[in-house]
Amino acid sequence: SQELEQSPQSLIVQEGKNLTINCTSSKTLYGLYWYKQKYGEGLIFLMMLQKGGEEKSHEKITAKLDEKKQQSSLHITASQPSHAGIYLCGADSRGGGADGLTFGKGTHLIIQP
Amino acid sequence: GAGVSQTPSNKVTEKGKYVELRCDPISGHTALYWYRQSLGQGPEFLIYFQGTGAADDSGLPNDRFFAVRPEGSVSTLKIQRTERGDSAVYLCASSLSGVEQFFGPGTRLTVL
Repeated sequence: SQELEQSPQSLIVQEGKNLTINCTSSKTLYGLYWYKQKYGEGLIFLMMLQKGGEEKSHEKITAKLDEKKQQSSLHITASQPSHAGIYLCGADSRGGGADGLTFGKGTHLIIQP
Repeated sequence: GAGVSQTPSNKVTEKGKYVELRCDPISGHTALYWYRQSLGQGPEFLIYFQGTGAADDSGLPNDRFFAVRPEGSVSTLKIQRTERGDSAVYLCASSLSGVEQFFGPGTRLTVL
């Protein structure tokens, strides 16, 4: 079965600083999803990557999937308090987009004012 | 509806009891997913419906867990003879395109 390891487990960043979260898979990634979860709430979809070398951006968040499709990174530029939460990467084992996802344990991000 | 809704938001039960958790997906979404999230962990896949049928139930931990979606819309997750280890947040998600899964707020189940 596929396993996803996220690093770091937690991160405290001063407001305005940049940060990167990593997600490493034990198998080739056919679909890699990034979600954000506020404490006690459901998950909010951020981005989905499929192709090796693919990069997507939304506002100040950029996600990349490496060429070998076994690692993804999420980069936040000029962090704000609204970026605080738990970031989860999820993988689709077959790439069709319809399967249940396997998730990492998450990265807890705290933004210090 | 505006989003995926789940009821109840919190459920406290005693060990050995039967519980039902309900999920109302976004109208028109054909795919529906159930996940379980324990404290400090990512969501764990349980079961996936395409329409009325379970397309993949490989994540159900044992035969005490069962889910239905009789009319292809609302789904109910049923847990028999609950155990303390079943305590978790149960998340439901729905999807139309199969790319983006829209998640509900979850039901927090506590088994005493």
